[in-house]
Amino acid sequence: KQEVTQIPAALSVPEGENLVLNCSFTDSAIYNLQWFRQDPGKGLTSLLLIQSSQREQTSGRLNASLDKSSGRSTLYIAASQPGDSATYLCAVVSVGNQFYFGTGTSLTVIP
Amino acid sequence: GAVVSQHPSRVICKSGTSVKIECRSLDFQATTMFWYRQFPKQSLMLMATSNEGSKATYEQGVEKDKFLINHASLTLSTLTVTSAHPEDSSFYICSTGQPNTEAFFGQGTRLTVV
Repeated sequence: KQEVTQIPAALSVPEGENLVLNCSFTDSAIYNLQWFRQDPGKGLTSLLLIQSSQREQTSGRLNASLDKSSGRSTLYIAASQPGDSATYLCAVVSVGNQFYFGTGTSLTVIP
Repeated sequence: GAVVSQHPSRVICKSGTSVKIECRSLDFQATTMFWYRQFPKQSLMLMATSNEGSKATYEQGVEKDKFLINHASLTLSTLTVTSAHPEDSSFYICSTGQPNTEAFFGQGTRLTVV
């Protein structure tokens, strides 16, 4: 069964810093990997989608990489802002469009 | 991108009553919808896969008689929590999307059973 782990569980940084969130998964047979943002009590917002054949995707200040063979993905956030404070979840998609979510990284950006 | 509407966003109910949560795909036909549950400080866990016109597939440990799923049309799936108890209090969220493409999630439902 696919297991997804995210490190660190929580992160607190001053505004303006660049930061990296890590995601690892145990089964490399995936269709894609997605990074989501979740604000407290709210639904999920998709940030980036990386197909299994891709190595990275960029959107604004966000860059996600994927190394399928080693079962790792990173989400890089440049020039962090207080509005980036949220929980970030990675999820891998396996056969049948089934998602396996990581445990999330709770990010706090201090003004 | 596709839009998924989930209703209600919050519900408080008495122990022993049933609660229905709706998930609508607003701009495309969803043959499959997924229902997740999230307990505080934990990640989302898949509860069941809802297939239009057929029975849902439940994950191990999820009681199908307690969490009734109906997917009668290509735009609507419902999750009914029957005889709810305080331990059922959780955040429930649905999602859909075409295979191997971006997933779209509902806004989630915060269920509190008192």
